[in-house]
Amino acid sequence: QKEVEQNSGPLSVPEGAIASLNCTYSDRVSQSFFWYRQYSGKSPELIMSIYSNGDKEDGRFTAQLNKASQYVSLLIRDSQPSDSATYLCAVKTYKYIFGTGTRLKVLA
Amino acid sequence: EADIYQTPRYLVIGTGKKITLECSQTMGHDKMYWYQQDPGMELHLIHYSYGVNSTEKGDLSSESTVSRIRTEHFPLTLESARPSHTSQYLCASSADRESGAFFGQGTRLTVV
Repeated sequence: QKEVEQNSGPLSVPEGAIASLNCTYSDRVSQSFFWYRQYSGKSPELIMSIYSNGDKEDGRFTAQLNKASQYVSLLIRDSQPSDSATYLCAVKTYKYIFGTGTRLKVLA
Repeated sequence: EADIYQTPRYLVIGTGKKITLECSQTMGHDKMYWYQQDPGMELHLIHYSYGVNSTEKGDLSSESTVSRIRTEHFPLTLESARPSHTSQYLCASSADRESGAFFGQGTRLTVV
């Protein structure tokens, strides 16, 4: 079992819809969780961090954390074609462990 | 905004050459990391450092070495490049365990 698991996608959503990206992790002692966006050929860009159970909102992005279920999600509201990218979930222990990423396609 | 810089951005080099990929950050971060990523694939940690004179190998078996003589500088060296080293190399840094890592723009290495 991989330490951080994501569905590779692609996840296709129409413009203006909500995109929902999911991630599960195996290490119960993980305390810090992050979402990165990576455009093709570019380096990952940090977009959200979350440390406590519940929701954290930042603009069109909402991160959700459920430590009991070992589950992290990212919601993107009002999806735009410019949101089309690969979204990486990362879990921090003594190092950052990245999932393989979910490719999101927002259709105009 | 994160200030972490990698040079060169692109490098094509012959087999057997020694190369050093540079990474510098101006944020005063103690922790720095090197990741390797092939196109469309996941990131693999190859080296990390928690501070000056502290370096550790990551999960991916690598023929590279690193050094951390100054807080801001974390170069990666390949003593003898091989075609199997062709990949993108990403440097990152972070402030503490609760903050995310910030990435440089990467070095795309091609060994011919």
